[in-house]
Order: sequence, then C-alpha cells, then structure tokens
Amino acid sequence: GAGVSQSPSNKVTEKGKDVELRCDPISGHTALYWYRQSLGQGLEFLIYFQGNSAPDKSGLPSDRFSAERTGGSVSTLTIQRTQQEDSAVYLCASSLARANYEGYTFGSGTRLTVV
Amino acid sequence: SQKIEQNSEALNIQEGKTATLTCNYTNYSPAYLQWYRQDPGRGPVFLLLIRENEKEKRKERLKVTFDTTLKQSLFHITASQPADSATYLCALALSNDYKLSFGAGTTVTVRA
Repeated sequence: GAGVSQSPSNKVTEKGKDVELRCDPISGHTALYWYRQSLGQGLEFLIYFQGNSAPDKSGLPSDRFSAERTGGSVSTLTIQRTQQEDSAVYLCASSLARANYEGYTFGSGTRLTVV
Repeated sequence: SQKIEQNSEALNIQEGKTATLTCNYTNYSPAYLQWYRQDPGRGPVFLLLIRENEKEKRKERLKVTFDTTLKQSLFHITASQPADSATYLCALALSNDYKLSFGAGTTVTVRA
C-alpha cells in the first residue's frame, strides 16, 4: 500500500480482555517496529522485526505482550489480560533497511483504552 | 541512565518568525539524529536526519544542527507559518542499533 495501515484506529476494551492490533507495512519494507505513546510521553520501543531474523522483543513491558509478523508482511500485536496502564496509542512503523537512514514511516496508530 | 530532553514548554510564535527547538541527550553516543513532525491523531512524519559527523543540515525552511560535544541538536523553522503548528520529536540511534529512542516532543503553535 501507499502507507502504513493500522487497525482498528480506536479500541475500547474491558480490563482483563485480550486485544489484537494489526499493522500492514509498506510493501517491500523489510523492517517493522512497534512503539507505544502515552500522553505527554515519548515513544516507547516495544518490538522490532527484520526479514526472517528473530525479532527483538527487548521493549515488551511484560509477558502479556506478544507480536508476530507473518510472511514478512502483516504484523499483529497481542495484549492479553489488558490492564488500565496499557491504555496508550500503539504505533507501527516500517522502513527499508536495518540501519535505516531514511526515517521510519509510521501508521496513524491504534488508540487503546482499557476501562 | 540514558535521557533525551526536548523543550519542556510549548512554543508559541508569531507567523514569519523563526522557531528554535532544542534536543539534549545524556549517556548516548548517537550515530545519527532524526527529527519528526506529529499532528494530533496521526503518526510521526520523518523530516530530517543528521549524522554524527555533520554539523548542519537544511531542507527548505528547516535547519538542524548537531553538536556532539554539547550533546545537543537544534531544530529551526524559519519564516514560520500557521501550517507549521505541530509537535516535533527528536530521535536518536546508535551506530550498532536500529532502534530509535524518542524525546517527548515540543508543541509549536504559529499565530497568524
């Protein structure tokens, strides 16, 4: 596609429920990143995928968070047993290369609200 | 610990003036630094990249400087316009790392 597409754009869920967030990167971009942005905070790195390599999961805040990327394209971020502190905007980005000098292309994000 | 700090206050300027934003970092030796623009409800949009061996980079009305001794980058918007109103984020990356670390951003409002 022309840009990075994320769905849903908004998600309200009850505490304790599981949620799945989807990201469609730009076709041909081998690197995919998930970040989280809380109000007034900088972007917090969550996870990185590059081609067929093992993902870098070092930013995932707990084992309730997991992500996968199928066929080197679409990625899904799953949050199990959601907590109120999980409320944030979840942003996906993709780029052409591992050592990216051209900047990331971000999606518009999924705003998650846990009530 | 590593820290990236941007202007803590929002910046309000008159149209036509120059906006200057700061990005200070500690306990980093970044290979390069990037600036992004973010509008409400949207993801950040890449603007400029400057490498550690570069002092200054320009793109249209934008200018970025990078001082690795002061551990600081300055971002200038010259001849500002109301359409420049947005939040601007700086981001750092290490040479052996692909992850960008972001500052919290500075919100700029340009008055007509």
